Amino acid sequence: SQQGEEDPQALSIQEGENATMNCSYKTSINNLQWYRQNSGRGLVHLILIRSNEREKHSGRLRVTLDTSKKSSSLLITASRAADTASYFCATDSGGYQKVTFGTGTKLQVIP
Amino acid sequence: KAGVTQTPRYLIKTRGQQVTLSCSPISGHRSVSWYQQTPGQGLQFLFEYFSETQRNKGNFPGRFSGRQFSNSRSEMNVSTLELGDSALYLCASSTFDPDAHEQYFGPGTRLTVT
Repeated sequence: SQQGEEDPQALSIQEGENATMNCSYKTSINNLQWYRQNSGRGLVHLILIRSNEREKHSGRLRVTLDTSKKSSSLLITASRAADTASYFCATDSGGYQKVTFGTGTKLQVIP
Repeated sequence: KAGVTQTPRYLIKTRGQQVTLSCSPISGHRSVSWYQQTPGQGLQFLFEYFSETQRNKGNFPGRFSGRQFSNSRSEMNVSTLELGDSALYLCASSTFDPDAHEQYFGPGTRLTVT
């Protein structure tokens, strides 16, 4: 079963624009991560945000976390065609609990 | 450091057969997790091994099994294959720091059952 639901399911933007995708989850978490997957390949870890953090940056990525709303957002600024991929959020409850992935957002950046 | 490797990359099997997939984690990583990815169900957790012990298990039938060796390499086995087992099987390794579950994924094995 999926812990996280991403929204939107698909997003198409022009190169240079910003892309925002959201993740909502159901139960309390310890960490939330974002991963990228290029078509039919393995996932690449992008960023991890802990439950006691509200915002984190990494290059052109900005992640926010609102534990009261059980939601997170990933912002990609100044998008590039190479950002075209599926993006997944993943959550864990801490300790030795498994990591559970969301349903993913498919992002297309048009050159 | 070399990344996570999975073999084989592509596999075609017939219904009723069995298959074994292999995963070699990043050197020093002792945790290996397996996921099944399909267009309909998304990424589904299969199981996770740490130091040769299965620590977590997803909701899959007993036809799906796995193991981990003393060098942290892992295998998963699917017996009596069904058409619905066609999927991308992903392996991920991590140090399994209980405080940070960052995972490193392999390229996957694409299994087609005919």
